[in-house]
Amino acid sequence: DGGITQSPKYLFRKEGQNVTLSCEQNLNHDAMYWYRQDPGQGLRLIYYSQIVNDFQKGDIAEGYSVSREKKESFPLTVTSAQKNPTAFYLCASSIDHTLSGNTEAFFGQGTRLTVV
Amino acid sequence: SQQGEEDPQALSIQEGENATMNCSYKTSINNLQWYRQNSGRGLVHLILIRSNEREKHSGRLRVTLDTSKKSSSLLITASRAADTASYFCATDGSGGSYIPTFGRGTSLIVHP
Repeated sequence: DGGITQSPKYLFRKEGQNVTLSCEQNLNHDAMYWYRQDPGQGLRLIYYSQIVNDFQKGDIAEGYSVSREKKESFPLTVTSAQKNPTAFYLCASSIDHTLSGNTEAFFGQGTRLTVV
Repeated sequence: SQQGEEDPQALSIQEGENATMNCSYKTSINNLQWYRQNSGRGLVHLILIRSNEREKHSGRLRVTLDTSKKSSSLLITASRAADTASYFCATDGSGGSYIPTFGRGTSLIVHP
């Protein structure tokens, strides 16, 4: 089955720890995104990547880091510098929108991160 | 910053009724999309309408786009209890970017 997989589904972090959220896709998509969702806030863009070995900051990148070493993978690290990391994190991918203009995004099932 | 804003924030209807949700945005766009999210899950793409289109249909869904008013509406006809979910509009093209930018969503409850 083609799709986008996030793991784990639930993650608990102690204060001061870094944690990494996994996102893998087998859709051969060039673009990948990380969004954060808080109650009543909708989705806010953390980072995005349009091509391997390149990524850009979104609206709320502070306290987060990413890498894009492979086309299929776009892991997100929530660092200890992120002061309020408890949220629902969503990863998405889409085809190369600069060529087609089609920006339909495919989402994973999300990771719920809680600081304990 | 969020480009699109949905209205109303919450909508409660009876099964069989139609549900209408609106989305307003601030700057010019290439595309506008609607997504659905069941509680605690990822988003699922419903429909994409391009800036040069005015109306689009998909099954029980009807989407309109008015670029002069910078607004869109999503109509779900003959709603079912299974339509209960949050619905988000996403725009792209702001500032030349194709990155989907989401609103806060409309929470729809359909009572059986």
